[in-house]
Amino acid sequence: RKEVEQDPGPFNVPEGATVAFNCTYSNSASQSFFWYRQDCRKEPKLLMSVYSSGNEDGRFTAQLNRASQYISLLIRDSKLSDSATYLCVVNPINTGTASKLTFGTGTRLQVTL
Amino acid sequence: DVKVTQSSRYLVKRTGEKVFLECVQDMDHENMFWYRQDPGLGLRLIYFSYDVKMKEKGDIPEGYSVSREKKERFSLILESASTNQTSMYLCASSLGQGKAFFGQGTRLTVV
Repeated sequence: RKEVEQDPGPFNVPEGATVAFNCTYSNSASQSFFWYRQDCRKEPKLLMSVYSSGNEDGRFTAQLNRASQYISLLIRDSKLSDSATYLCVVNPINTGTASKLTFGTGTRLQVTL
Repeated sequence: DVKVTQSSRYLVKRTGEKVFLECVQDMDHENMFWYRQDPGLGLRLIYFSYDVKMKEKGDIPEGYSVSREKKERFSLILESASTNQTSMYLCASSLGQGKAFFGQGTRLTVV
């Protein structure tokens, strides 16, 4: 089983739609979780952290379910500019030291007119 | 803004050549990483470093080595390039806890 698994998509949604992605992780000791966004031919950039209680940043909502070992990303009112690949990232250590960030393979979102 | 700069955007090298990929960050981050990204496989960690002269193997270190002589610079070395090392290479730096900043990537082709 992969350490971090994502549905590769693509998810094709019309502008204005709500779309959700899930990501499952295998290491129950994982401490912190993130979503990154990667545009075509660009480097990944941090989108948001995922907190235990869930958190929201504008149209984006992230949730963590430790019992089932998955995190989710919900995008409301999709925009054309949301088209990108969304990478789930799991960090097994919650300290200030370096750790082996584990990336999912990404879920591709295409928002259409 | 954090800036992570990779020395080349595109490189073409011959099989057997020694290849150096350079990465510099300007935010005094302790941690630096080298990943490669391939279609369907996502980002895979090659090596990382949490301090000057310190390094640890990632998930796919075979065929690679690294050097961290100064805090701001982390170099990836392909001792003898092979065609299966054709890939996108991404450098990142981080203060920790998963918030990493990436360079623009180096697309390496080994012919």
